[in-house]
Amino acid sequence: DVKVTQSSRYLVKRTGEKVFLECVQDMDHENMFWYRQDPGLGLRLIYFSYDVKMKEKGDIPEGYSVSREKKERFSLILESASTNQTSMYLCASSSFGVGDTQYFGPGTRLTVL
Amino acid sequence: QQQVKQSPQSLIVQKGGISIINCAYENTAFDYFPWYQQFPGKGPALLIAIRPDVSEKKEGRFTISFNKSAKQFSLHIMDSQPGDSATYFCAASSTNAGKSTFGDGTTLTVKP
Repeated sequence: DVKVTQSSRYLVKRTGEKVFLECVQDMDHENMFWYRQDPGLGLRLIYFSYDVKMKEKGDIPEGYSVSREKKERFSLILESASTNQTSMYLCASSSFGVGDTQYFGPGTRLTVL
Repeated sequence: QQQVKQSPQSLIVQKGGISIINCAYENTAFDYFPWYQQFPGKGPALLIAIRPDVSEKKEGRFTISFNKSAKQFSLHIMDSQPGDSATYFCAASSTNAGKSTFGDGTTLTVKP
């Protein structure tokens, strides 16, 4: 069964802290994604990666960075957390080909105080 | 630039009624159109998907209607149930493009 796991379901951090969100998939997928989800704004793509050590900016990369050292793991880093980064963060993965369905993790609810 | 426009933003339907959510796209290179369903506290999950070589796909109570010339597709939920209450996202992608473009989502509430 397809599985995408995220390291934390809930996270509370303080302004200025460095925050790491981890995502692991067990499907040998090439592509991995980080989104943030806010009420009324849908799913906004932060960064995605097509392969190990490769990354591309999405629609809202400012204030974030990513790391993909292994195929199955994709990390989202908030270098200096700010209150406007309080959100639900969703990781997803997919495989290249016709019908590239994305498989999502359960999400991490991050609160920055 | 939003390439997939979804409407309505929210929808309330009585139990047993038909729920209809619409999406319109701009990029004619899109060739895969999935719908995702998201329950509170969960990540979105694939519900049903269609490719542009067919005009309709049905899986149980869920049907996608696709109009290639109008660049529109819609999700119909027949005999809507309270358990269908969720947020629904349409999406579109091109083969081997990697990433998908999502609509903004529709929050469906089915009243008992």
